[in-house]
Amino acid sequence: GESVGLHLPTLSVQEGDNSIINCAYSNSASDYFIWYKQESGKGPQFIIDIRSNMDKRQGQRVTVLLNKTVKHLSLQIAATQPGDSAVYFCAENLNALNFGKGTSLLVTP
Amino acid sequence: GAGVSQSPRYKVAKRGQDVALRCDPISGHVSLFWYQQALGQGPEFLTYFQNEAQLDKSGLPSDRFFAERPEGSVSTLKIQRTQQEDSAVYLCASSLSRFGTDEQYFGPGTRLTVT
Repeated sequence: GESVGLHLPTLSVQEGDNSIINCAYSNSASDYFIWYKQESGKGPQFIIDIRSNMDKRQGQRVTVLLNKTVKHLSLQIAATQPGDSAVYFCAENLNALNFGKGTSLLVTP
Repeated sequence: GAGVSQSPRYKVAKRGQDVALRCDPISGHVSLFWYQQALGQGPEFLTYFQNEAQLDKSGLPSDRFFAERPEGSVSTLKIQRTQQEDSAVYLCASSLSRFGTDEQYFGPGTRLTVT
């Protein structure tokens, strides 16, 4: 079946650098995407979402970019902090969420 | 304010035992979802409720899995005759809207270990 997947399983960045986490999707009918952050022992936490009528959406220190032509989205985290260390999932919302496998972000001092 | 809560947080069951996992959604949330998350994987959809109606149970892996939400609030996920492959974190999420197209709020999950 069609799925959402991530390019890299792990990402290590230095504190203060910017982080970019990528995600590819294959369902061309998908029109609503969400990024979640999951810390150890906790449930996924909503970060930011984007609908298919937008190319870019910004939040506090985070930006999501959507490229519908190549079915790709990315999450950019500015000035990464140790508290950003977690697993990040992109998900397409088809009523239920279809998650990718996740990228583990490790922020080093 | 109160978020989604789940109990127990941890459950160890011997193979063949039945287990019941509870989810308390955010008050007033219409939609409720159950997901299964295996170690190192993303959550996988199990089932969806709109109020008390179970509208989608396509993700339930076998007929040993059963979910209910009799009064449109608290939900219970029951697994009968547990198997080792059932070991996972079971996540519950709720959302305000009827169609689940808005933000889903997740509980902390129940970690089930079948020995």
